[in-house]
Amino acid sequence: AQSVTQLGSHVSVSEGALVLLRCNYSSSVPPYLFWYVQYPNQGLQLLLKYTTGATLVKGINGFEAEFKKSETSFHLTKPSAHMSDAAEYFCAVSDLGSGGYNKLIFGAGTRLAVHP
Amino acid sequence: DVKVTQSSRYLVKRTGEKVFLECVQDMDHENMFWYRQDPGLGLRLIYFSYDVKMKEKGDIPEGYSVSREKKERFSLILESASTNQTSMYLCASSRPNYGTHEQYFGPGTRLTVT
Repeated sequence: AQSVTQLGSHVSVSEGALVLLRCNYSSSVPPYLFWYVQYPNQGLQLLLKYTTGATLVKGINGFEAEFKKSETSFHLTKPSAHMSDAAEYFCAVSDLGSGGYNKLIFGAGTRLAVHP
Repeated sequence: DVKVTQSSRYLVKRTGEKVFLECVQDMDHENMFWYRQDPGLGLRLIYFSYDVKMKEKGDIPEGYSVSREKKERFSLILESASTNQTSMYLCASSRPNYGTHEQYFGPGTRLTVT
């Protein structure tokens, strides 16, 4: 069965610093991977996804993630943090045993704080 | 612009009340989902539906039921609300495919049961 682990429930960075949010997954088959962002009092918004092809995936707001099969990782990065990046970030993997129903398995989330 | 709407942003109910949470999507998606979100636990799937009148249990269905009479609408029902059902509830929808299509989320309903 698939699962997702996000390392660090809280991450704090300075404005302009590198953002690195870690995600490791377990899957017995090639996974489909997603990063979502949740701003305060809002639903989840897709940042980026990996399905097939290029392992470096670019998303919205300057974020990108690299799929590393050997490390079973899909870490999210942004070269320079902005105050508006403060939010909670969720990594998710498709539950491919769900018969095409598109079920997702989510990590516990990482809350990113950006300070001046 | 794709849209998933939920009937209430905030809801306060008393223990034992029957509670209805409504979700509507305008994207003609076949799949719809209900999650609850709790701090430190991420999103946990309560129920999902892959077609009208079809439903499947998720990981935590106890104490909940669902209804999908029309393709665009998916309702979550708390038959007898309890304090441990105080949570954020998120609805989502997606196209049917083997995992490649993302889910689109509504803004959430924060339910407090007193």
